[in-house]
Amino acid sequence: NAGVTQTPKFQVLKTGQSMTLQCAQDMNHNSMYWYRQDPGMGLRLIYYSASEGTTDKGEVPNGYNVSRLNKREFSLRLESAAPSQTSVYFCASSRLVGSEKLFFGSGTQLSVL
Amino acid sequence: GQQVMQIPQYQHVQEGEDFTTYCNSSTTLSNIQWYKQRPGGHPVFLIQLVKSGEVKKQKRLTFQFGEAKKNSSLHITATQTTDVGTYFCAAGGATNKLIFGTGTLLAVQP
Repeated sequence: NAGVTQTPKFQVLKTGQSMTLQCAQDMNHNSMYWYRQDPGMGLRLIYYSASEGTTDKGEVPNGYNVSRLNKREFSLRLESAAPSQTSVYFCASSRLVGSEKLFFGSGTQLSVL
Repeated sequence: GQQVMQIPQYQHVQEGEDFTTYCNSSTTLSNIQWYKQRPGGHPVFLIQLVKSGEVKKQKRLTFQFGEAKKNSSLHITATQTTDVGTYFCAAGGATNKLIFGTGTLLAVQP
């Protein structure tokens, strides 16, 4: 029972390159989330998926796209990476959206040069 | 939109001293959650508060939800080095989204 699994753990990109962060959960959760964490800024919600087949914008969606591939998997795509997207990215899941506790993956450290 | 302010940003204490972090929202909250993130780790859920004026305890940790459901606090009694990390509140409001506070980094000197 792995919980929430994120790949990769580390990534270095050049400005303008694209990449996809993968996330999978094995807890049969309905809701999944992508957060970014920057020093002094806390965790900011990028996108979330309340249930399979739906996605919604969070606080900072610009420059990102997401895909809820199935109930288990929720990917985050950077189409044209920018230095401002250098951050630690966390995927999370919960049984339901709203008032349920979140389970986080171990994070992806992304640097955009 | 909904904003959640957390203070202080950083707190350095001697082992054995108490520690408190505060979370304030501009809007009434439906619930508030607290998470702990160890250095280099990921946030881990600690507790959820739902009722106005609610107080919950976990060993040396005491969590409070304000009467107006706009603020919350986490108090640690007699800190230990294992308490080191960043403590986040996360507010649930009118939308489905959980909004995280900026976090309080706790350093404990042995």
